[in-house]
Amino acid sequence: DAKTTQPTSMDCAEGRAANLPCNHSTISGNEYVYWYRQIHSQGPQYIIHGLKNNETNEMASLIITEDRKSSTLILPHATLRDTAVYYCISLLWGNDMRFGAGTRLTVKP
Amino acid sequence: NAGVTQTPKFRVLKTGQSMTLLCAQDMNHEYMYWYRQDPGMGLRLIHYSVGEGTTAKGEVPDGYNVSRLKKQNFLLGLESAAPSQTSVYFCASSTILAGGPGELFFGEGSRLTVL
Repeated sequence: DAKTTQPTSMDCAEGRAANLPCNHSTISGNEYVYWYRQIHSQGPQYIIHGLKNNETNEMASLIITEDRKSSTLILPHATLRDTAVYYCISLLWGNDMRFGAGTRLTVKP
Repeated sequence: NAGVTQTPKFRVLKTGQSMTLLCAQDMNHEYMYWYRQDPGMGLRLIHYSVGEGTTAKGEVPDGYNVSRLKKQNFLLGLESAAPSQTSVYFCASSTILAGGPGELFFGEGSRLTVL
């Protein structure tokens, strides 16, 4: 599985879009990109995943570059409740799901 | 619908003692996972299972054993607990989609302290 690289921390103003980058330059053609978040000490929560095309759901949008070497998770209107650690994971089908250190997003009023 | 249930939620052990953490899911999921999370760090995969009767090692399997005798249960055992195993343990389960694991559903965590 490809290794992912994320910034350690980011800040975002409440009501603004939060754009969280992830680098996965060694990703293979069959590896999916998953995003999870962890609020306080709760279990992680699934956000979204994709392969090649951009994806959107009720929580967020996932933008994957054409060469698939990086992606961006977008929270369109960040709220204080979106403060969490966000994990980007690249995964080949059938393999284990491994989390890295993630990005600590702090949404400020 | 309980989802993923972990027992116990808290436990204090002495060095050398043994214990088993139980994870139960009622969603008929094929995949199950055990993770540990140390303070200020991300989750690290201990063991996982892709189906009843099968298990595989993750990133940090040493000192742990697992069993998946029933599809709905995934047990994590510590044969001889060490202070380095003090951590919060999370269990998760997922279904299988066409492209790989589906959404992982996590339990609330089990906080283990080894003195």
